[in-house]
Amino acid sequence: QSALTQPASVSGSPGQSITISCTGTSSDVGGYNYVSWYQQHPGKAPKLMIYEVSNRPSGVPDRFSGSKSGNTASLTISGLQAEDEADYYCSSYTSSSSWVFGGGTKLTVL
Amino acid sequence: EVQLVESGGGLVQPGGSLRLSCAASGFTFSSYSMNWVRQAPGKGLEWVSYISSSSSTIYYADSVKGRFTISRDNAKNSLYLQMNSLRDEDTAVYYCARDFSMIVGSGAFDIWGQGTMVTVSS
Repeated sequence: QSALTQPASVSGSPGQSITISCTGTSSDVGGYNYVSWYQQHPGKAPKLMIYEVSNRPSGVPDRFSGSKSGNTASLTISGLQAEDEADYYCSSYTSSSSWVFGGGTKLTVL
Repeated sequence: EVQLVESGGGLVQPGGSLRLSCAASGFTFSSYSMNWVRQAPGKGLEWVSYISSSSSTIYYADSVKGRFTISRDNAKNSLYLQMNSLRDEDTAVYYCARDFSMIVGSGAFDIWGQGTMVTVSS
């Protein structure tokens, strides 16, 4: 199972909005509404930010939102804040009864 | 406090074995599916294995199938990963993660441990 495709890096200024894409195939992202997004700060464990494409766990700010169109899922962060600077990973369930992650995107808040 | 604590990592030679443990506390462990996810140094996340709450369903990544075995002991609130025939490419931080959704496949890993480092080297 190949990793999902994410941009290596994105950047934005405080207060702006950014979107991170996550492209897969009809066997993973396009085939199931089981896409999750994780935030990881250096040296820390990942944190769940979005699950099942667009659901936010309790405690995650509503500045974070998720969506999907075809084989591509997206994470949008609005009103960027300095603490949002981190690595972000998408993941999806696959037709092989497994989960596949994206390669990760480094978000820089300018 | 809801938490997961991994242990058992260390340095092992290629071809060797290691058993990781993950101790759960603060929630009803027996109600949740669990996973192992790893991260090689400076690299991204890689899902390794899944076990349902009753151990009736188990999945493995192709990269570890036939070499790794996931198990759990609900009476001890513990998750395990037996790793055999270890290779250099298995070097990584290994995290245990709780899947809080009752939907198989959801992959909503909401609680993660701090990770335990496994280094495979001669």
